[in-house]
Amino acid sequence: DQQVKQNSPSLSVQEGRISILNCDYTNSMFDYFLWYKKYPAEGPTFLISISSIKDKNEDGRFTVFLNKSAKHLSLHIVPSQPGDSAVYFCAAGSGGYQKVTFGIGTKLQVIP
Amino acid sequence: DAGVIQSPRHEVTEMGQEVTLRCKPISGHDYLFWYRQTMMRGLELLIYFNNNVPIDDSGMPEDRFSAKMPNASFSTLKIQPSEPRDSAVYFCASSSQGRSPLHFGNGTRLTVT
Repeated sequence: DQQVKQNSPSLSVQEGRISILNCDYTNSMFDYFLWYKKYPAEGPTFLISISSIKDKNEDGRFTVFLNKSAKHLSLHIVPSQPGDSAVYFCAAGSGGYQKVTFGIGTKLQVIP
Repeated sequence: DAGVIQSPRHEVTEMGQEVTLRCKPISGHDYLFWYRQTMMRGLELLIYFNNNVPIDDSGMPEDRFSAKMPNASFSTLKIQPSEPRDSAVYFCASSSQGRSPLHFGNGTRLTVT
């Protein structure tokens, strides 16, 4: 049973446009959410996070939106750049949250 | 900071052989995690340690899998005997106290033939 779902395995976007990556979760106990980015042959790297007490968190070109009632979060990248081409993992945790559950990832391709 | 260091980067072995994966976490990090990545299941948590003590090993798939952390700077994940379905990329990650993000190593790609 996947508690964190990323239903789009891949996404292609033109350079300069907005990329929107989506994530759904089923566990109401999750209260902390993260996005990680992964390049080939490397480990995932932390990108941005959001606590359940917020509905938006922004860091430069990256913004994460959280809709708790829908159990949905999204990552917006504006403007998209070719270097953003990677696999993006959504992750969620609760409490001390050291135990984090990951989605299966969405592969983003930004076309120059 | 050198980051989380994993070895080997690639491991090819025959079914039935013992495989040992190694990890050196970031100095000062209290938590160490072992994840496995497959196409079908994404990143799965196998086990994690806090201050060298295993806290949750519910993700370890079978008794063939074992993990140890003899000190704060070293951990191993062992598979004995290995099977073809164990083929995956295995990641080690570490983090400090509180809600701090995970720092991943570059992984070990395991192929069992």
